[in-house]
Amino acid sequence: GESVGLHLPTLSVQEGDNSIINCAYSNSASDYFIWYKQESGKGPQFIIDIRSNMDKRQGQRVTVLLNKTVKHLSLQIAATQPGDSAVYFCAENAFNQFYFGTGTSLTVIP
Amino acid sequence: GAVVSQHPSWVICKSGTSVKIECRSLDFQATTMFWYRQFPKQSLMLMATSNEGSKATYEQGVEKDKFLINHASLTLSTLTVTSAHPEDSSFYICSASPQGSYGYTFGSGTRLTVV
Repeated sequence: GESVGLHLPTLSVQEGDNSIINCAYSNSASDYFIWYKQESGKGPQFIIDIRSNMDKRQGQRVTVLLNKTVKHLSLQIAATQPGDSAVYFCAENAFNQFYFGTGTSLTVIP
Repeated sequence: GAVVSQHPSWVICKSGTSVKIECRSLDFQATTMFWYRQFPKQSLMLMATSNEGSKATYEQGVEKDKFLINHASLTLSTLTVTSAHPEDSSFYICSASPQGSYGYTFGSGTRLTVV
């Protein structure tokens, strides 16, 4: 199967600080990427997406950066809040299937 | 927005029994739905692709006779775990995408515990 991995399995940040979650993917043919947030016991929730013809996309408090040269994806969360504590997954669309990374657990310290 | 409803959210069953999990797209039609399995602190693993009106496509290593998938309508796919065993205990999640959309919406998941 495809390989989508995260550099950091856990991340702790102070409330109000910015968070950066990284993801490496392996398939250069992947043309679409999504970041999901999953809270304990719940299904993944869409956060933001980006297509391969873009290198940056911004949402509300979140920004996704895509570096196709090194096959790297990152999610930046501005002014991190306690409600942002969750596991974050990146996913790549390759050959019409989504492959998920391992996940990074983000803990926000009040 | 697109909503996917999954039911039940939590089920406990005895070994040897079968459990059916439903996945419904509430405000859109989905010719394709996906079933995932997730172990604690691990990522989602695609089990199978459910195709409306035809047989499901299973990922390598997933037992077709163990995990029966039926996609009888454009808004409903079911996953039946047959002859459940404790090792089948897991979090099962479905997803679907509105036609013409790249994004996938996930159900809230079903926590299956086999005792």
